[in-house]
Amino acid sequence: AQSVTQPDIHITVSEGASLELRCNYSYGATPYLFWYVQSPGQGLQLLLKYFSGDTLVQGIKGFEAEFKRSQSSFNLRKPSVHWSDAAEYFCAVAPPAGNNRKLIWGLGTSLAVNP
Amino acid sequence: DTGVSQNPRHKITKRGQNVTFRCDPISEHNRLYWYRQTLGQGPEFLTYFQNEAQLEKSRLLSDRFSAERPKGSFSTLEIQRTEQGDSAMYLCASSRDDRAGGYTFGSGTRLTVV
Repeated sequence: AQSVTQPDIHITVSEGASLELRCNYSYGATPYLFWYVQSPGQGLQLLLKYFSGDTLVQGIKGFEAEFKRSQSSFNLRKPSVHWSDAAEYFCAVAPPAGNNRKLIWGLGTSLAVNP
Repeated sequence: DTGVSQNPRHKITKRGQNVTFRCDPISEHNRLYWYRQTLGQGPEFLTYFQNEAQLEKSRLLSDRFSAERPKGSFSTLEIQRTEQGDSAMYLCASSRDDRAGGYTFGSGTRLTVV
């Protein structure tokens, strides 16, 4: 079955510390991979995506993610977290082909940032 | 590019009432998706349009739910005879043909059924 696992439900980091949010997927073929961020009561904003090519992708707000095929992982990183990064982070996958490219989502990781 | 617009932002309704939400996608996007998100969960796929054609509906979409996209532009999602379990955030997203994801999401409509 196709699924996305975000093992950490909640993470707390101090402002200025580094961050890594984990994402593992189960899929028949290498899917397209995404990270989205959601602030409370808001919609979802795309941070970055991976389709093919360089396995280290850069996104907005200083985030990056690395695709590791052997581990079926797509972990999100940021070298120095800002208080404004506190939000819910979702990893998602979509089929690389086909008509309906619906996203399959993880349950999210809630990030809290201590001053 | 004004983004994806969803209206209303919030809706409180009594159980048994009908509600309708609207989504205006980015104008050049021909794909439109509806998702539902409950607290503490990731979004769940509800339905998908390519232009005006509704090509897939999730089993989550009971017969009380109906979605339309006349003329392949804006879309509406109607829920009839609302139940408390329908309380959720309803998200709309649009994208172009050529790439999956890279979806642009609206801010959502939060439905509360009392």
